[in-house]
Amino acid sequence: EVQLVESGGGLVKPGGSLRIACAASGFTFSSHSMNWVRQAPGKGLEWVSYISSSSDFIYYTDSVRGRFTISRDNAKNSVILQMSSLRAEDTAVYYCVRDTAGGSGQFDYWGQGTRVTVSS
Amino acid sequence: DIQMTQSPSSLSASVGDRVTITCRASQSISAYLNWYQQKPGKAPDLLIYVVSSLQTGVPSRFSGSGSGTDFTLTISNLQPEDFATYYCQQSYSTPWTFGQGTKVEIK
Repeated sequence: EVQLVESGGGLVKPGGSLRIACAASGFTFSSHSMNWVRQAPGKGLEWVSYISSSSDFIYYTDSVRGRFTISRDNAKNSVILQMSSLRAEDTAVYYCVRDTAGGSGQFDYWGQGTRVTVSS
Repeated sequence: DIQMTQSPSSLSASVGDRVTITCRASQSISAYLNWYQQKPGKAPDLLIYVVSSLQTGVPSRFSGSGSGTDFTLTISNLQPEDFATYYCQQSYSTPWTFGQGTKVEIK
C-alpha cells in the first residue's frame, strides 16, 4: 500500500524557516517524481514544487522560488521541503504528492498533509 | 501561467441526479486535464486523468470529456459519497495549476 506521511509542520514567525518532510513507502520511491502541493485555509489547491526521480529536474512556482528548496533522499525514501523567509501567505496544509509518471503532472497519491502556520 | 476556471463554484443536487462541472483553460492544454475529488478534512483523490481515463477504483458513474480549452466532468446517478469539492488541474506545463473548485452539496 502506497503511503506518504508528512511531518515537521508547525507555527513559525514571519521571516522564519521550517523544514517539512515526507516519508514514502509501499512503492519504488526512486522511480517516481514527487511534488509538494499546498492548500491555504478555506482555499483551493496550489502546486508548489516538483523533483524528478533522480533529482535532475526541479521546479517551483514563482511565489516560492528562491525561498523554498526541495530535495530527496532515495536511500531513505524521503522528500524534503526546506522553507525560508516565510510569509503569512505561506500558511497552508502542505501535501506530499506522488507523480504518476516522470514529470506527468498527474498526482495519484497524496499524504494526509502537514499544517504550516506563519504568524507572529 | 495557464489559468483554469471552473463553473459553477458550487451546486446543490439530489441523490440520483446527473451533475456536470465545466473547466476552461486560458490556453489550449490538449488532453492534459485531470480531475480530483476532495472531501472535508481529507487530501484530494485523483479521479480522472488525461480528460477521460478513470483512476483505478473510481466508479463508472464518473466520466470526463473535452479537449483543447473546454472540459467537463459528469457524475451520473449522484451518490451520497459524491458530495465533495471537485478540482480540475492542467498538467500541460508548469506551473501546474488547478481550478478554484466546485463544491457539490446536498439539496
